[in-house]
Amino acid sequence: DAGVTQSPTHLIKTRGQHVTLRCSPISGHKSVSWYQQVLGQGPQFIFQYYEKEERGRGNFPDRFSARQFPNYSSELNVNALLLGDSALYLCASSFHRNTEAFFGQGTRLTVV
Amino acid sequence: GQQVMQIPQYQHVQEGEDFTTYCNSSTTLSNIQWYKQRPGGHPVFLIQLVKSGEVKKQKRLTFQFGEAKKNSSLHITATQTTDVGTYFCAGPGVTGGGNKLTFGTGTQLKVEL
Repeated sequence: DAGVTQSPTHLIKTRGQHVTLRCSPISGHKSVSWYQQVLGQGPQFIFQYYEKEERGRGNFPDRFSARQFPNYSSELNVNALLLGDSALYLCASSFHRNTEAFFGQGTRLTVV
Repeated sequence: GQQVMQIPQYQHVQEGEDFTTYCNSSTTLSNIQWYKQRPGGHPVFLIQLVKSGEVKKQKRLTFQFGEAKKNSSLHITATQTTDVGTYFCAGPGVTGGGNKLTFGTGTQLKVEL
């Protein structure tokens, strides 16, 4: 079975641009969460979606948004990119909201 | 807000030595999860502890959940080079739920031959 897949794996953007990151959860998993991991730190929770509804939001500005599609895949959108948005963006899927999370390999975003 | 701290931040050991990382939460946790992240990789789920005072073992790894459900530890016996990576604890708050995990600060383990 395929694990959690994220695309793209690497991305370079300019300040002020917009970016869309994509995530496909493990087949059968209905919950997708997004995390931001800055180098040298632990992952920081951004969003959780379960059954296509937002179930949680971390302490991130409104420039960050996400959605989950009927097939349970998800997109994370970031507008008006700042240098500080440079990080590894991780997607995690789980069967239910409270079960163990399986992480994708992440998207390495660099903002220049 | 909830804070999860881990100590030590870094640990260098000789292969064969033991290693322990400690995790402390500012709030009571409904459960604690442990993840391992290899350099350049992504977090990989190791285990989840739910009950107060719970102890679980996976081969050379021993995980404990404190009686007050605010702290946890991971102990590795006789480290190997394959144990290299950063170990994170993570937990939801009591009023949270779901996989809105708050990750600890992590302990980076380096194993030297």
